[in-house]
Formats: sequence, C-alpha cells, structure tokens
Amino acid sequence: EAGVTQFPSHSVIEKGQTVTLRCDPISGHDNLYWYRRVMGKEIKFLLHFVKESKQDESGMPNNRFLAERTGGTYSTLKVQPAELEDSGVYFCASSPRDRTNYGYTFGSGTRLTVV
Amino acid sequence: DAKTTQPPSMDCAEGRAANLPCNHSTISGNEYVYWYRQIHSQGPQYIIHGLKNNETNEMASLIITEDRKSSTLILPHATLRDTAVYYCIVRDRSNFGNEKLTFGTGTRLTIIP
Repeated sequence: EAGVTQFPSHSVIEKGQTVTLRCDPISGHDNLYWYRRVMGKEIKFLLHFVKESKQDESGMPNNRFLAERTGGTYSTLKVQPAELEDSGVYFCASSPRDRTNYGYTFGSGTRLTVV
Repeated sequence: DAKTTQPPSMDCAEGRAANLPCNHSTISGNEYVYWYRQIHSQGPQYIIHGLKNNETNEMASLIITEDRKSSTLILPHATLRDTAVYYCIVRDRSNFGNEKLTFGTGTRLTIIP
C-alpha cells in the first residue's frame, strides 16, 4: 500500500506570506495527525483528525495555523501569515480507526523555511 | 512534557545487539510503552509497543521490567541502517480522546562499522 504522502517536500517562503502543506494519508485511515519539529526542539503534536472532524487541536500554536480535512481524505495545513519561528519540519501521520492496530505511519515531512 | 528519560547517545558495533534503555518511573497502569525511530530526513517510524509483557516483532524486542518503571529496546543484529534517533514514548491508549504522542529528545544510536 502507498504510504503517507506529503507535499511539498520543501518550501521556502518570505515572512508574511502564506503556505499550504498537504498530507495524503494511507487510504482508509480515519485518523490523521499533524506534528512538527522546529529547529533544535522536540517533535510536537499539533492536531488530530478523525475523518473530517478535529478530535484534538490542543497543539496548534496560534490562529495563524488552519488545518482542514474536507471529506475525510487528504488534509491541508495553512500558515497565514508565516513567521520566522514557523520554520521547521511538519510531519503528517495516519492510522486506522481500529485501535488494535498499533503505530502511526508517518510521512517524510515538509521542510518549511521562512526567510 | 515527555514522561521518559533516555541517554542522549549510544554507539553499537555493526552486527552486535543494540540495547537502548528507557526510564518511565511515573508510568500509570493504562499507559503503554511505544518505541519509534527517526532516520535522518525521514518521518518517525513505529518499531514496537508493549504494556507489561515482553514483545518481539520482526524489527526488535521490547523488554519491560516487572514494575514497568523501565524498558529496553533490543535490536538483535544492528546494521548501519539502524543508525537513527530512537524515541521511547508512553501513551495512554485507554483514553479514546488522547491519541497524541509526546516525543522527548530520544537516544541517538550510531552503528559503528
């Protein structure tokens, strides 16, 4: 099966611009998660979708970040306007709804650089 | 904050068993121990998890102490491709609303040729 796919793999934007990251989870996975690692820090949870609903968005840093998952398939994470401290690697992960299946599958991430 | 403590780095000779320790002295009864690793430039990769019994899969073995306050991930025959940062994570799977993983700083494992 295809893995979790993230687009783009790299993005360089200027401060104040808008960037949209996309995640295509494994087909049939109801759970979709966003994480990020900013420079020198640990990987941090951002939010969790179950199908199209936001189950937990406690990790979203501020209202400049907007995540959507229309139709319960792919998800987008928009940063508007981007700030320098948003630079980092953004990871998406997915898992089946069946909780007996154990680990998440992560994508390779989008490296965002805000200059 | 992460509820686990791991050594920041370890070396292991290629072909030998790599034993990565993790302390989780405040683990509760509902919390499982998960291990993930991150190979450079890739996303984290699930390795194994357990509650209180030892577990083994095609990638590794997980040994959890009887009091569950610590565990050891064992890579039985380390290869150069196992060089990565390894994360030990405790997670409450009984809380259906709490799916998130809390990553710590992990252990940077280097396999020496």
